[in-house]
Amino acid sequence: KAGVTQTPRYLIKTRGQQVTLSCSPISGHRSVSWYQQTPGQGLQFLFEYFSETQRNKGNFPGRFSGRQFSNSRSEMNVSTLELGDSALYLCASSPGTFEQYFGPGTRLTVT
Amino acid sequence: AQTVTQSQPEMSVQEAETVTLSCTYDTSESDYYLFWYKQPPSRQMILVIRQEAYKQQNATENRFSVNFQKAAKSFSLKISDSQLGDAAMYFCAYGAGGTSYGKLTFGQGTILTVHP
Repeated sequence: KAGVTQTPRYLIKTRGQQVTLSCSPISGHRSVSWYQQTPGQGLQFLFEYFSETQRNKGNFPGRFSGRQFSNSRSEMNVSTLELGDSALYLCASSPGTFEQYFGPGTRLTVT
Repeated sequence: AQTVTQSQPEMSVQEAETVTLSCTYDTSESDYYLFWYKQPPSRQMILVIRQEAYKQQNATENRFSVNFQKAAKSFSLKISDSQLGDAAMYFCAYGAGGTSYGKLTFGQGTILTVHP
């Protein structure tokens, strides 16, 4: 089975712009979770989608949003980018158990 | 809120030796899972081992084993016969059901260096 894929792998944006990141889960996995990883804050949970519904959300501002499509692929969007949004964004998929399988991440740099 | 604490920012071990990474957690849940993930320089998070809270037996995966002390809320990872490829950042993670399903709470990580 192919693993979790994330696109793009690297992204450079300017403050104030918006960005969309994509995640394709492992085939058959219906749950997709998103995390932000920074040196200062570590790994923080953003949100989780299951069957196109957001089931859980972390403590991030409304500028961070996501969605899931009928084929379980997920996107996350960050609007009005700030310098502090520079991070590695990790997507993980789950077959419905508690363990999660991670993609390679998208490195976002905001200048 | 659940918290996960890794008190060792860095650890080092000689190749072929054994090392133990520490993790403590805080929760009021009775049904939960604990994980160790490895993140090498490539930044790809790799699941190393999992432990269900309702199981008393400690999980083992080849050279990796855990010491799960539920009453003490402790979950340490032992790596036996350490190899150069084990060098990475290791994260302890907690997951629960109910309203937290799909969310993992991570510790701050422990950087493991393996010396040849």
